Amino acid sequence: SQTIHQWPATLVQPVGSPLSLECTVEGTSNPNLYWYRQAAGRGLQLLFYSVGIGQISSEVPQNLSASRPQDRQFILSSKKLLLSDSGFYLCAWSDTGRVYEQYFGPGTRLTVT
Amino acid sequence: GNSVTQMEGPVTLSEEAFLTINCTYTATGYPSLFWYVQYPGEGLQLLLKATKADDKGSNKGFEATYRKETTSFHLEKGSVQVSDSAVYFCALSRYGGATNKLIFGTGTLLAVQP
Repeated sequence: SQTIHQWPATLVQPVGSPLSLECTVEGTSNPNLYWYRQAAGRGLQLLFYSVGIGQISSEVPQNLSASRPQDRQFILSSKKLLLSDSGFYLCAWSDTGRVYEQYFGPGTRLTVT
Repeated sequence: GNSVTQMEGPVTLSEEAFLTINCTYTATGYPSLFWYVQYPGEGLQLLLKATKADDKGSNKGFEATYRKETTSFHLEKGSVQVSDSAVYFCALSRYGGATNKLIFGTGTLLAVQP
């Protein structure tokens, strides 16, 4: 069966510091991968998605970037964090082809101070 | 454009009460529809789905029917438990770019009291 991991689970970082969040998927090949942010009390905002190694699409311009160095690894980064980057970051995967549901990881709670 | 509208929460019910969470959508074409559940501090779990009109998705006592004529996908459960307390998200899929993307509603918080 497939599993998705995210780490760290929680992170407290000062403004201006760098960020690296990691997501890995097991039990599947060539998945589509997604990064979402969930601000407190709000819905989900799609940040990036990837359909293959090195292929990244950005949904909204912002202070973050994403990379996919391996088939089942997806990384969210920032060079300098802003207070507004605080939130709950969720990674998700889906099969390629005509399969529409996405499966989510446990999330990373980021607090920028 | 494509969008999902959910009823405002929080919804507070007593244990064993009947649950309805309304969801309507706007979309071009024929999207697939989903309900996800998020327990406190956790990621989202797929609760149920429906991929075409009149399909009924069901799981763990929850049900939702894809109604094309009313563009709705309301979530129902006959008898809620305290363990059902969570945030529920309605979502639709759309194809954009190279992959299917999910459009989420804002979520509805359900609190079930013993």
